[in-house]
Amino acid sequence: DGGITQSPKYLFRKEGQNVTLSCEQNLNHDAMYWYRQDPGQGLRLIYYSQIVNDFQKGDIAEGYSVSREKKESFPLTVTSAQKNPTAFYLCASSLRATGDYEQYFGPGTRLTVT
Amino acid sequence: QKEVEQNSGPLSVPEGAIASLNCTYSDRGSQSFFWYRQYSGKSPELIMFIYSNGDKEDGRFTAQLNKASQYVSLLIRDSQPSDSATYLCAVHPLPFGNEKLTFGTGTRLTIIP
Repeated sequence: DGGITQSPKYLFRKEGQNVTLSCEQNLNHDAMYWYRQDPGQGLRLIYYSQIVNDFQKGDIAEGYSVSREKKESFPLTVTSAQKNPTAFYLCASSLRATGDYEQYFGPGTRLTVT
Repeated sequence: QKEVEQNSGPLSVPEGAIASLNCTYSDRGSQSFFWYRQYSGKSPELIMFIYSNGDKEDGRFTAQLNKASQYVSLLIRDSQPSDSATYLCAVHPLPFGNEKLTFGTGTRLTIIP
C-alpha cells in the first residue's frame, strides 16, 4: 500500500527543545517537501529536496533543518531557534521536482510548543 | 512576489447545486495548476490538475483554466454534504526547473442539505 507516512500525529514539546518530525514515502518519488500551515494561512514551504543528499531552503527555512540520507525519508527538525513553532506540519512528495508532476501529502503532524 | 488569491469564503451552496470556486494568480508565466481539498484537521488531497487552457472534467469536478485572464476555477456539480471542505488552489510557475508551488489561502465551502 503506497503512500506517505508522518509520525507522530500529535507532538507536544516544551519551549527550548529541538524536535524531529518523521516523513517516509514508499512511492519511489524523487522529490520531497516540508510545509507549514497556520490557521487562516496558506501552505508555506520550509525545505524541499529533489534528490538524495541534496536539499534547498524554502520561503521560511529559518529555525528548521532537514536531511535526505535515503530516498524514502526526509525528516524535519524544528530547533529552539524557531520563534513560533506551533503549527500543522505537512510533508509532501512528487515523482520529480518539476511543475508537471503532482505533489501528494502525508497526513501531517500537529506540533504544539508551550 | 508571486501570488495566488482565493476568496476565503465561506461559500454556501445548496445540496445538488453547482459550487464554483475561483482562483487568480499573478505570474503570467504560470504553467501548472492544482486543486486540493482539505477537510478540517486533515491534510490536503489532490483532486484536479490542469496544464492547458480550457476545461478538464473528472466525475463531478471540472477545472477551468484561462491563462489570458490569469484565473483557474473549480466547478463541483451535484454538490454533496461530503464536499464541505476548504479548497486550496496551487500554481507552479514553470513546467521545468526549480520553481516551487505557490498555494492560495483556500476557500471554505459549505454544502447545505
